[in-house]
Amino acid sequence: GQQVMQIPQYQHVQEGEDFTTYCNSSTTLSNIQWYKQRPGGHPVFLIQLVKSGEVKKQKRLTFQFGEAKKNSSLHITATQTTDVGTYFCAGGNKLVFGAGTILRVKS
Amino acid sequence: DAGVIQSPRHEVTEMGQEVTLRCKPISGHNSLFWYRQTMMRGLELLIYFNNNVPIDDSGMPEDRFSAKMPNASFSTLKIQPSEPRDSAVYFCASSLRTGANVLTFGAGSRLTVL
Repeated sequence: GQQVMQIPQYQHVQEGEDFTTYCNSSTTLSNIQWYKQRPGGHPVFLIQLVKSGEVKKQKRLTFQFGEAKKNSSLHITATQTTDVGTYFCAGGNKLVFGAGTILRVKS
Repeated sequence: DAGVIQSPRHEVTEMGQEVTLRCKPISGHNSLFWYRQTMMRGLELLIYFNNNVPIDDSGMPEDRFSAKMPNASFSTLKIQPSEPRDSAVYFCASSLRTGANVLTFGAGSRLTVL
């Protein structure tokens, strides 16, 4: 079945450094979504990408969808302590979730 | 809108007992999903409903798990009998429709089976 791989599993950065998480699918995706889960919380929707090569920005967050629609990335510029949490990608009609990338930020 | 409402928020039970988790989706949302989250296995889709009808239950671990959606505003996930390996956070989520639509998650039900 469809699998969504996400790397890295964990990243610990200094506040102000950039952060990137990558998502790869075994099959072409009709769409990809990104969610953020704060420690002890529940996943919260961030954004959806649908078009090949699409790039969307939300303040310091930049989301990309690959040309082949099999991979995606989330880049955070100049991380802040409020960025702490686990970032998940989810793809396809059944929204298969990746394992998530845990981001920790040292102040 | 109060969002997706789940109950109980925490449940501690003993092995062999029946557990029932409840979910009220957002009004007007036609699709409902049950997920299980553990450190080892991440977020796993257990089952999803569209217009109260179960569409895909291939993620349900075994016959001890069952889910129902008797109407558009209520769903249950039942585990009988429960086992320690069922300990996890169970999330319910709803969306306007299945396929390329945004999931709104509930706060989750943290289950501990002793």
